[in-house]
Amino acid sequence: QKEVEQNSGPLSVPEGAIASLNCTYSDRGSQSFFWYRQYSGKSPELIMFIYSNGDKEDGRFTAQLNKASQYVSLLIRDSQPSDSATYLCAVTSTGRRALTFGSGTRLQVQP
Amino acid sequence: GAVVSQHPSRVICKSGTSVKIECRSLDFQATTMFWYRQFPKQSLMLMATSNEGSKATYEQGVEKDKFLINHASLTLSTLTVTSAHPEDSSFYICSARGSGAPNTGELFFGEGSRLTVL
Repeated sequence: QKEVEQNSGPLSVPEGAIASLNCTYSDRGSQSFFWYRQYSGKSPELIMFIYSNGDKEDGRFTAQLNKASQYVSLLIRDSQPSDSATYLCAVTSTGRRALTFGSGTRLQVQP
Repeated sequence: GAVVSQHPSRVICKSGTSVKIECRSLDFQATTMFWYRQFPKQSLMLMATSNEGSKATYEQGVEKDKFLINHASLTLSTLTVTSAHPEDSSFYICSARGSGAPNTGELFFGEGSRLTVL
C-alpha cells in the first residue's frame, strides 16, 4: 500500500465548475497535510495546508480533512483554465522530517 | 514565503561524467534541506536529507556514493551525481523549511534541475 494515494486522473471539468481532488494516507500519525500545484516542467508550489479536522478555506480553494477516515481533499471553485496542472497531496509522516507525496492528480479545466 | 534557488535548471551531460546541482536558501538559514527526484508522470521521491555540518541521511535504495551531498553552510547544499548514466536522467528538486515562526511545516522548493544523460 502506498503511503499517500491519489487518483492520477486526468480529471476534466468545465471552466467555472468545482473541481474535487482526493487523497488518502496510510500513516495514522500524520499531523500535517499539504496541497501543492505543479505545472509541467516546474517545481511544486504550495496552495494550502491543513492540520485540523474539518474545512479550511482560502479564496477559491477549500481543503477538507478527516483524520478518522485518513482522507484529505481539495475543492477548487470557479475553476479556470489556468488551474490546469497536477495537484500533489503531501503529508508529514511519523519520524520523518521531509514530506511524503502522492503521485498527483492531473486536472484539466476545459474553457 | 521562503525562497529557495536551484542551479542549473537544465543540464545535459555525457554518460560517465559528474554533475553538480546547487541549492541555496536566499532569505533564511536552512539547517536541513531535502533532495527529491521526480521521474516523468511520477511523484516526488525523497532521495536524502541534507544536514548542515554533518552527513546526509539517504533513503533506502539511494546510493550514497553515487549521489554525493554536501551541506557546508546554512544556505547552500549541493548534490553531485557521479558517473551519471541515462537512467539517472530525471528532475531533481531541492527543498527546505523556512526558519521563521510560526513554522507551518511546509516545504519551499527550488526551481528544479532537469538532468539529461546521453
